[in-house]
Amino acid sequence: DIQMTQSPSTLSASVGDRVTITCRASQTISSWLAWYQQKPGKAPNLLIYKASTLESGVPSRFSGSGFGTEFTLTISSLQPDDFATYYCQHYNSYSATFGQGTKVEIK
Amino acid sequence: EVQLVQSGAEMKKPGESLKISCKGSGYSFITYWIGWVRQMPGKGLEWMGMIYAGDSDTRYSPSFQGQVTISADKSISTAYLQWSSLKASDTAMYYCVRRTGYWYSDIWGRGTLVTVSS
Repeated sequence: DIQMTQSPSTLSASVGDRVTITCRASQTISSWLAWYQQKPGKAPNLLIYKASTLESGVPSRFSGSGFGTEFTLTISSLQPDDFATYYCQHYNSYSATFGQGTKVEIK
Repeated sequence: EVQLVQSGAEMKKPGESLKISCKGSGYSFITYWIGWVRQMPGKGLEWMGMIYAGDSDTRYSPSFQGQVTISADKSISTAYLQWSSLKASDTAMYYCVRRTGYWYSDIWGRGTLVTVSS
């Protein structure tokens, strides 16, 4: 099974900061990677798919990059609404695997 | 509006059976896979498995194979997740998700909280 590892587990940042979260796959997964945001008590929300494609309606301060085994989610200028937990997910035709999550906290 | 509407919170005792539901609307239910995701209290997301509503082709994550059953009734655009004998460790929030033709999950239900306690 492919394992997805996110880093860091927790990130403390201030409004306006540039934030980067990394997700590593245990073997190559091409661009089959999505990023989700989850706020407390809510269902996750899709931000990015196919590693770098922004879902409709998602603010342009979010961006994704990477290919193969290493991927990043970047928030160019952190906003108050962005304090949440972020998950990467590898998906293929028969399954899916999530990373363990990265909590973005207020510094 | 495309949405997945999940059944309400459940409180059960260990050993009891349970079936929770996820009803799709606003799109062609039979042409998409529906997946199930577990989130234990204070923990991350875990992929459980999925079903293709059109023909009920079902695929389970190895961790959940034999522990739960995923099914669907396409006549009422509803997918199900069921347990035959609940354990305290099944206490979690369960989300259903729609998988697009490119396999990522774009629509999430609001979740069903299952609490198993004696």
